[in-house]
Amino acid sequence: HVQLQESGPGLVNPSQTLSLTCAVSGGSISSGGYYWSWIRQHPGTGLEWIGYISYSGSTYYNPSLKSRVTISLDTSKNQFSLKLSSVTAADTAVYYCAKSQGGYYFDYWGQGTLVTVSS
Amino acid sequence: QSALTQPASVSGSPGQSITISCTGTSNDVGGYKYVSWYQQHPGKAPKLMIYDVSNRPSGVSNRFSGSKSGNTASLTISGLQAEDEADYYCTSYTTSTTLLFGGGTKLTVL
Repeated sequence: HVQLQESGPGLVNPSQTLSLTCAVSGGSISSGGYYWSWIRQHPGTGLEWIGYISYSGSTYYNPSLKSRVTISLDTSKNQFSLKLSSVTAADTAVYYCAKSQGGYYFDYWGQGTLVTVSS
Repeated sequence: QSALTQPASVSGSPGQSITISCTGTSNDVGGYKYVSWYQQHPGKAPKLMIYDVSNRPSGVSNRFSGSKSGNTASLTISGLQAEDEADYYCTSYTTSTTLLFGGGTKLTVL
C-alpha cells in the first residue's frame, strides 16, 4: 500500500521558486509503469494537473505551466520533487503529489500541502 | 487546453440514482479509454472511484459505475447515500500526452 507525503515551505515570496518534495513509502519510485505526479487546487476551485515524471525519468508537463515547471526523481531517497519558478499570487494553491498508473489515472494521493505566494 | 466540461452541480434524494457527465473532444475523452473519476470531500485529498472508463478499484462500492459514449463520459451513482455528498472530478488522457481534469461537479444529497 503506497503512501505519499508532501513537504516544503508553506509561504513563498513572489518571483521566487516554489519547491516541494513528495516522500514515497510502501513502494519504489523506480518500479516500472508508475508515473509520479503533481496536481494543484486553487482555493475553492477545481483540480489542475501540473505534470509527472515516469519511473525512467521522462517528464510530461501541463502546457500552460511547462516553461516554469521541473519535476525530478531522487531514487536514493525514494522521493520526487516539484520546482515552479517565478511564482505569483496565482500559484497559491493546495499542492498534491500522486502516483499515476501508466500515466492514465491517479490511484494514490498525498494529503496535500497549502502553498501561499505572498510577500 | 480547456478543462473537460462537467455540470457545476447535481442533486438527488437518498436511494435515487444520479449521473454526472464529462464532455471533451476526440482528442481526449473520445479518443481514449483512459477516463477516470475522483471523489473529493471538503478538506480531503481526491479518491479514485473509476478508472479506464468503467473499472472500479478494490474497495469502491458497486453503486458507482462509469461509461462513455463518443466524447462524453458519465459517472452514475445508484442508491444515493448521505456520504456520497462530495465534489466529483473526471480526468482524461489526451493526444498531447497530458492529463486533463474536468471543472468538477458538486453533488448534494437532499
